[in-house]
Amino acid sequence: GDSVTQMEGPVTLSEEAFLTINCTYTATGYPSLFWYVQYPGEGLQLLLKATKADDKGSNKGFEATYRKETTSFHLEKGSVQVSDSAVYFCALNPDYGGSQGNLIFGKGTKLSVKP
Amino acid sequence: EAGVAQSPRYKIIEKRQSVAFWCNPISGHATLYWYQQILGQGPKLLIQFQNNGVVDDSQLPKDRFSAERLKGVDSTLKIQPAKLEDSAVYLCASRQGDENEQFFGPGTRLTVL
Repeated sequence: GDSVTQMEGPVTLSEEAFLTINCTYTATGYPSLFWYVQYPGEGLQLLLKATKADDKGSNKGFEATYRKETTSFHLEKGSVQVSDSAVYFCALNPDYGGSQGNLIFGKGTKLSVKP
Repeated sequence: EAGVAQSPRYKIIEKRQSVAFWCNPISGHATLYWYQQILGQGPKLLIQFQNNGVVDDSQLPKDRFSAERLKGVDSTLKIQPAKLEDSAVYLCASRQGDENEQFFGPGTRLTVL
């Protein structure tokens, strides 16, 4: 079945460091891909998305490019801030009849940014 | 615009007791989801409603879990009887039409002792 694999955490970085969180997926058809973020004590929020191959999603300095050839959707940010400390989830929306927008999530990667 | 509301935020019960969670989606959102998020894992879909009809409940443990959305707006998720392994955060999400984005509530953290 469809699945998402993301790098295990926790990831600890110093402020202004470069961030990469790897995400790969297995899916039939052409899924949509998402990154969600969960700040401490809060619900999941959509960070960015891409709906077709080679699309780049971006928001708040974060970017991810939908790579069909490598089935990947890695999250990157050039300079992290303390306020980016959160748990990041990669997810896909399968592209087959009857999926109705159901999301399949990875296990999450906890990011801690130190001042 | 008000977000997805859930209550209670926290619940502690003993095994074999019953518990219910409530969700009020964003106004006008026809699709409603319940997810279970066990500590250290990503959310997993339990059930999906389109208006007041069930679209997908294939991963709902129907011997103990039930859910309803009687008027196509609010929804309740019930566990009866609860087991230790039901300890998790229960997330409700809603979606408008064919838009990809799901909006999540803050979740209900359930601890079963």
